[in-house]
Amino acid sequence: DIVMTQSPDSLAVSLGDRATINCKSSQSVLGNSNNKNFVAWYQQRSGQPPKLLIYWASTRESGVPDRFSGSGSGTDFTLTISRLQAEDVAVYYCQQYYNTEMTFGPGTKVDIK
Amino acid sequence: QVQLQQWGAELWKPSETLSLTCALYGGSLSGFYYTWIRQPPGKGLEWIGEINPDGFTKYDPSLKSRVLISLDTSKNQLSLKLNSVTAADTALYYCARGRGNWDRPLGYWGRGTLVTVSS
Repeated sequence: DIVMTQSPDSLAVSLGDRATINCKSSQSVLGNSNNKNFVAWYQQRSGQPPKLLIYWASTRESGVPDRFSGSGSGTDFTLTISRLQAEDVAVYYCQQYYNTEMTFGPGTKVDIK
Repeated sequence: QVQLQQWGAELWKPSETLSLTCALYGGSLSGFYYTWIRQPPGKGLEWIGEINPDGFTKYDPSLKSRVLISLDTSKNQLSLKLNSVTAADTALYYCARGRGNWDRPLGYWGRGTLVTVSS
């Protein structure tokens, strides 16, 4: 299994400030055939199912605000919320889909300071 | 607009076979990955398994001997069966669909079914 780890476990950011979440995979998730990183990011607000934000490590899903961005390659990835809004309070999960068995990171809780 | 609607019993006794169904509205089952994910209370997301557009299934190795995921194209439905359940199977169960044809990232999710296993 590919193990996904995230840091920090939680963070509190002032409205309008930047939030940065890190994700690390236990092995490279860069595809040899397409040179893409098999990483996605999800947002889960309280009491709701997860919502896909980013796939291929940096491609924003349709309808996702452009303050959300993903970066990284190989084993190290980052989700950045450039200007935190109140509705961004949630738990954020990274996921690898390089292997048949998808695995998720443990989640990072984002709150307002 | 694609929607996934889930249903199934919420309380199961140990050793029973859990059964959940997920109906797809606003689209066809064909051409997409369908996945079941579960989330134990207060914890993170766990991949249970998936069925790909060719109808082949893959399961988490720790659940493989107990789980069955299938599609009923005549009803536009996806189902999950998990046998010999224990308290460790208590979780919020989600069905999800890939975001696009042959895409595995989970772009559409059901609302979830809270399953409790207790005698």
